[in-house]
Amino acid sequence: KQEVTQIPAALSVPEGENLVLNCSFTDSAIYNLQWFRQDHGKGLTSLLLIQSSQREQTSGRLNASLDKSSGRSTLYIAASQPGDSATYLCAVTREGGADGLTFGKGTHLIIQP
Amino acid sequence: EPEVTQTPSHQVTQMGQEVILRCVPISNHLYFYWYRQILGQKVEFLVSFYNNEISEKSEIFDDQFSVERPDGSNFTLKIRSTKLEDSAMYFCASSAQRLAGGTQYFGPGTRLTVL
Repeated sequence: KQEVTQIPAALSVPEGENLVLNCSFTDSAIYNLQWFRQDHGKGLTSLLLIQSSQREQTSGRLNASLDKSSGRSTLYIAASQPGDSATYLCAVTREGGADGLTFGKGTHLIIQP
Repeated sequence: EPEVTQTPSHQVTQMGQEVILRCVPISNHLYFYWYRQILGQKVEFLVSFYNNEISEKSEIFDDQFSVERPDGSNFTLKIRSTKLEDSAMYFCASSAQRLAGGTQYFGPGTRLTVL
């Protein structure tokens, strides 16, 4: 059964720092990996999707990388801002066309002004 | 920008009652999903739906649950006889492509409280 782990569980940094969030998954047979942002008590906002054949995706200050064989992904946030404060979730889909996303528990990020 | 909408935002019900949670997916999307998140826990997949039938369901999605697309725009999740442990945030999602190839877009969620 696929397990997704995110480290650290929580992170607090001053504004302006670059930071890295980590995601690992136990079964490397994934089809794609998606990073989401969840504001407290709210829904999930898709940030980036990386297909299993890709190594990275970029959107603005966000860069996500994927090392499928080692079961790892990182989300890099450049020049962090207080508005980046949220919980960041990593989720994977299983190879073979299965539909459900398997989520990690998330990294709760606080950017101090 | 198109978005997934869900109603109600919060539903309170008594144990044993039936509830129906409603979702309006993004209009040109063909694949629909329900997830739940118990407070403090991971988001968990419940069911996916395509072409008017279930394409995959998790072990959580037992006989108490059902899904339906009653018309061209709504997608519903019914819980037949609610239990205390059904209390959670329920998220609807949709995608334009087969999940494994497409981004899933989530709605804001319905918070279900079972008393």
